[in-house]
Amino acid sequence: GAVVSQHPSRVICKSGTSVKIECRSLDFQATTMFWYRQFPKQSLMLMATSNEGSKATYEQGVEKDKFLINHASLTLSTLTVTSAHPEDSSFYICSARGRGEYGYTFGSGTRLTVV
Amino acid sequence: GENVGLHLPTLSVQEGDNSIINCAYSNSASDYFIWYKQESGKGPQFIIDIRSNMDKRQGQRVTVLLNKTVKHLSLQIAATQPGDSAVYFCAENAGGTSYGKLTFGQGTILTVHP
Repeated sequence: GAVVSQHPSRVICKSGTSVKIECRSLDFQATTMFWYRQFPKQSLMLMATSNEGSKATYEQGVEKDKFLINHASLTLSTLTVTSAHPEDSSFYICSARGRGEYGYTFGSGTRLTVV
Repeated sequence: GENVGLHLPTLSVQEGDNSIINCAYSNSASDYFIWYKQESGKGPQFIIDIRSNMDKRQGQRVTVLLNKTVKHLSLQIAATQPGDSAVYFCAENAGGTSYGKLTFGQGTILTVHP
């Protein structure tokens, strides 16, 4: 079946630094990628949607200059958390969808801790 | 809002029992629904899906029921096993201008006791 690889699985960074999270579709072309954030004991909240070669569409309340999304190819999307602060500590999850497909394949998530 | 997810609904069952997890959705334009299982520290794992032109779909040990009249979705797990312990989320494809995006429900914590 479809597989999405997300790296790193865990990252600890200092406040003020930037962190990049990668999401790769291994055996299909991901025309659309979604990025979610999940706080402890809460549901997944959609941050942004990106289509290959286009600018990402951000959900209301999500700062596009802080959460930079790049979807330069059909198999790779990246989320960069810029100038991270402790309140950005969360579980970030990507999902990918192929052209014409109904299904969504999720990555394994990245636990970001900002100290 | 009233529910910020700090008190997820919980369901505790004995191994071998059947489990029913419920979900209410709000968007009548949603046309595709998915149930996910999420174990601690992992991404959501697909369980079963259903389109709005159906009211029931069965998989291995799982059944999803869709009632569009009251906008209600349920997941039935037969002969629940300890390995089924996880958080379960329903998700809806919002349709319309939001076509393609998934909106997740609050989640239910399922605990299966041996």
